Amino acid sequence: AQSVTQLGSHVSVSEGALVLLRCNYSSSVPPYLFWYVQYPNQGLQLLLKYTTGATLVKGINGFEAEFKKSETSFHLTKPSAHMSDAAEYFCAVSESDTGRRALTFGSGTRLQVQP
Amino acid sequence: DAGVTQSPTHLIKTRGQQVTLRCSPKSGHDTVSWYQQALGQGPQFIFQYYEEEERQRGNFPDRFSGHQFPNYSSELNVNALLLGDSALYLCASSPDSPLGQETQYFGPGTRLLVL
Repeated sequence: AQSVTQLGSHVSVSEGALVLLRCNYSSSVPPYLFWYVQYPNQGLQLLLKYTTGATLVKGINGFEAEFKKSETSFHLTKPSAHMSDAAEYFCAVSESDTGRRALTFGSGTRLQVQP
Repeated sequence: DAGVTQSPTHLIKTRGQQVTLRCSPKSGHDTVSWYQQALGQGPQFIFQYYEEEERQRGNFPDRFSGHQFPNYSSELNVNALLLGDSALYLCASSPDSPLGQETQYFGPGTRLLVL
């Protein structure tokens, strides 16, 4: 079984400050890891994903995440927050090598950006 | 290129009724997954369809059923609606791949309210 824990249901930062959203996962097989963003009344948009290879993954809108197997983490960062980054962020995991493709999501982190 | 589309956008039903939600996948995608997102929570996997068959199912009762058509579009049916079925229902599509590493692209969702 796989699971995702997102620490902090709400995170508030000032515009221009570092954004750090935390994600820890549990998986019995090597994971595929994803970050999605959801704006109000919209579906989910992929920010970035890790499948294999380089553990530092760069995504859209200046976001990046690093896969740390020893810490079972996949934290999302952005050096400088913008007002348009205010949204709900979801970390998700799926299993590699098993053929099971369901995404298991965390409960989400709502990011507020203060002017 | 149209992305994933879903209809209707909003729906209001009463307890005990039945509902059908529809999804058209992104062009070139043959796999469709359905997720339920309750208010304030992350999406939960309902099931996935590939080659008109249910390939994987999450922890949802048999009241939830689906179908995939030869053109890869899909329907989600929910019978005997309960108040707790009120949620945003998200459809996601992806191309099939041997190890399931392909990204799932989400539609805007159908918001179902059960009274």
